[in-house]
Amino acid sequence: GNSVTQMEGPVTLSEEAFLTINCTYTATGYPSLFWYVQYPGEGLQLLLKATKADDKGSNKGFEATYRKETTSFHLEKGSVQVSDSAVYFCALSGETSGSRLTFGEGTQLTVNP
Amino acid sequence: NAGVTQTPKFRVLKTGQSMTLLCAQDMNHEYMYWYRQDPGMGLRLIHYSVGEGTTAKGEVPDGYNVSRLKKQNFLLGLESAAPSQTSVYFCASSRPVGNLAEAFFGQGTRLTVV
Repeated sequence: GNSVTQMEGPVTLSEEAFLTINCTYTATGYPSLFWYVQYPGEGLQLLLKATKADDKGSNKGFEATYRKETTSFHLEKGSVQVSDSAVYFCALSGETSGSRLTFGEGTQLTVNP
Repeated sequence: NAGVTQTPKFRVLKTGQSMTLLCAQDMNHEYMYWYRQDPGMGLRLIHYSVGEGTTAKGEVPDGYNVSRLKKQNFLLGLESAAPSQTSVYFCASSRPVGNLAEAFFGQGTRLTVV
């Protein structure tokens, strides 16, 4: 079946530091890949997505590239802000699972001023 | 612009009690989902629906039932609550465009079973 593995957290950074959150997946065929973000007390919201190999999703300074050869979709941001503090979830929807999402464990990011 | 609305937002139940969580969406989405979120486990799919009058089991369906009598509403029921059902529950909806669709989430219901 489908699965998603995220780097262990939590992650604590200083403002303006570089961020990487690793995500690898297992799926048959060509899944679509997503990063969702959950701010404190809120539901999840889509941050970015990529639907085929070598696609780069980007939004709000965050980027992630769909790497078929390494089955990875790592999230990066060059300079984090305090307002980026949140829980980040990597997820996939498979060719046979339609729009049903399989999530990683989530990574808590805290950015200190 | 309401999006996906869940009620209630918080609830404490005693073991063996029953309750229903309500999810309503105003985006005319065909697909709706119930997930539970537990520490260190991400979100796991409980049940989902691909249209009015249809439901299907997800990854962790035991102990839950659902109904989709109206397109805009998706109800999650716990017939006899257990402490293992203490969790945060999220409803989501999406359009039927295969595995490309963005899911929109509600703000969650925090349920504690004592």
